[in-house]
Amino acid sequence: QKEVEQDPGPLSVPEGAIVSLNCTYSNSAFQYFMWYRQYSRKGPELLMYTYSSGNKEDGRFTAQVDKSSKYISLFIRDSQPSDSATYLCAMSPQGGSARQLTFGSGTQLTVLP
Amino acid sequence: GAVVSQHPSWVICKSGTSVKIECRSLDFQATTMFWYRQFPKQSLMLMATSNEGSKATYEQGVEKDKFLINHASLTLSTLTVTSAHPEDSSFYICSAQLTPTAPLHFGNGTRLTVT
Repeated sequence: QKEVEQDPGPLSVPEGAIVSLNCTYSNSAFQYFMWYRQYSRKGPELLMYTYSSGNKEDGRFTAQVDKSSKYISLFIRDSQPSDSATYLCAMSPQGGSARQLTFGSGTQLTVLP
Repeated sequence: GAVVSQHPSWVICKSGTSVKIECRSLDFQATTMFWYRQFPKQSLMLMATSNEGSKATYEQGVEKDKFLINHASLTLSTLTVTSAHPEDSSFYICSAQLTPTAPLHFGNGTRLTVT
């Protein structure tokens, strides 16, 4: 069993839809949670960075962390074709250490105009 | 925000030659940078940690003699793929962070094709 599980998709939604992307994990030591967006042939771009449980909102994006269920989500409201990308969750027990950073496999999202 | 610049964005080289990839932190100093490799439709795999002024730390299974890392200044790390072979063809991405506990910011990656 992988430490971080992420549905690879592909996920296809119409423009304007609410998108829900999810990751589950097994390591209860994870405390820092990130979502990255990666366009084709580009490096990952940091979208959200949260610590411990709770919600964080930034524009059309909302990140949720439920540590009791070991489950994190990224919601995208009013999705746009420009949101079409691969979304990677990432998590670590301590802030900043790349050696302890574990990535999900990524979910490929397509928003249809 | 933290901007990480990577150059070149793509490169094609012949088997047996060496290729150098540069990673720069544009608006901040980075004592530590990280090099990743990504295969198609797969997640990122950490190759090595680049430390300014000292030797890089390589992950298990990564050949340090093949992937030479130099971090000569606080804003520049380079990855040199030596004696490249077709199996080295991949997407290489560097990253850095504003502070040791901050999240990683990534460059735009370098697509290497070895013919």
